[in-house]
Amino acid sequence: RKEVEQDPGPFNVPEGATVAFNCTYSNSASQSFFWYRQDCRKEPKLLMSVYSSGNEDGRFTAQLNRASQYISLLIRDSKLSDSATYLCVVNWNFNKFYFGSGTKLNVKP
Amino acid sequence: DGGITQSPKYLFRKEGQNVTLSCEQNLNHDAMYWYRQDPGQGLRLIYYSQIVNDFQKGDIAEGYSVSREKKESFPLTVTSAQKNPTAFYLCASSKDSIVNYGYTFGSGTRLTVV
Repeated sequence: RKEVEQDPGPFNVPEGATVAFNCTYSNSASQSFFWYRQDCRKEPKLLMSVYSSGNEDGRFTAQLNRASQYISLLIRDSKLSDSATYLCVVNWNFNKFYFGSGTKLNVKP
Repeated sequence: DGGITQSPKYLFRKEGQNVTLSCEQNLNHDAMYWYRQDPGQGLRLIYYSQIVNDFQKGDIAEGYSVSREKKESFPLTVTSAQKNPTAFYLCASSKDSIVNYGYTFGSGTRLTVV
């Protein structure tokens, strides 16, 4: 079983739609969680950290479910510019992060 | 502005050659990392370094070597022992308290074997 698993997608949604991705992780001792965004042929960029109580940044909401060992990312009012691959990242070993293979999102006009 | 600079952006290697990828940061970060990304796959850790003159193997270190002689620099050498080196290579750095801050990535080097 992979340490971090994501549905590769693609998720094809119209502008203005709400879309959600989940990511499951294998190690119950995981300590920190992040969502990164990666545009085609570019480096990943930090989108948001995921806190135990859940957190929101504008149209983006991240949540953590420790009991079921998954994190989620919700995007409201999707924009064309949200089209990218979203990487789930989990840390349970100091200085070592584990990356999911990403979920591709296509937002259509 | 502070950041991480990787060079070159594109690199072509002949069979049997060693090549070195450059990574320089001016963020004053202690820890630096090298990842490899293949199409449709997540990033896989090659090597990491928490302090100068010290580095640790990641999950796929075979066929690679690194050095950390300066805090700002963490070059990666892809040796001829790496049988499938064609990939997107990403260098990253982090503050001590990575739990809260995650990584900052360079813009990557695309290595192709010709």
